[in-house]
Amino acid sequence: EVQLVQSGEEVKKPGESLRISCKGSGFSRTNQWISWVRQMPGKGLELMGRIDLSDSITNYSPSFQGHVTISADKSLSTAYLQWSSLTASDTAIYYCARPRSGWESDPFDVWGQGTAVTVSS
Amino acid sequence: QSALTQPASVSGSPGQSITISCTGSSSDIGYYNYVSWYKQHPGTAPKLMIYDVSDRPSGVPDRFSGSKSGNTASLTISGLQAEDEADYYCSSYATSTSVVFGGGTKLTVL
Repeated sequence: EVQLVQSGEEVKKPGESLRISCKGSGFSRTNQWISWVRQMPGKGLELMGRIDLSDSITNYSPSFQGHVTISADKSLSTAYLQWSSLTASDTAIYYCARPRSGWESDPFDVWGQGTAVTVSS
Repeated sequence: QSALTQPASVSGSPGQSITISCTGSSSDIGYYNYVSWYKQHPGTAPKLMIYDVSDRPSGVPDRFSGSKSGNTASLTISGLQAEDEADYYCSSYATSTSVVFGGGTKLTVL
């Protein structure tokens, strides 16, 4: 059974850096993709990008390219989402999710529990 | 503004049927049969309910069904139950932006 476990809630100040994590287990050798999805307060879901844990190939959604960095540690089966300088607009819940068979068009059938990030002075 | 358009809210009484629409364009819903629907209770992660327009993952009741016509996809829930009350999001694969989501629909069971 595939499981995704995310790091805990974060409260940061504007301008600070942050890295949150998503640890996967139960992955098959043919599908080690993890995607990141943002949900701003009271808003809908937005795909940020995705990474293949096996080789760190990364794809970003156009709206998030350059604003965040997605990385992975294959040995830890963990994906990361990183900001170098947070702003208040980064306040959101961030979910990691697995595309069912690894294709870009796949639905997300396994989700992490979410990491709440609050950026406030 | 979300790429896909959903009604903000729908409601129905227990036992009734409701349908949630999701309108996109010829670059997403109209072109690909990769429409999914997710259910989300407040404070919890989304759950996949329908994929590839009308397929149900194992464990999802057959009261949930999906369809598509042109640029609009629909989720129908029949025999509405109290536990169906949640937010529902549609998504579709899109030509230039990978997966796009709708803004969500709040389902209230009266």
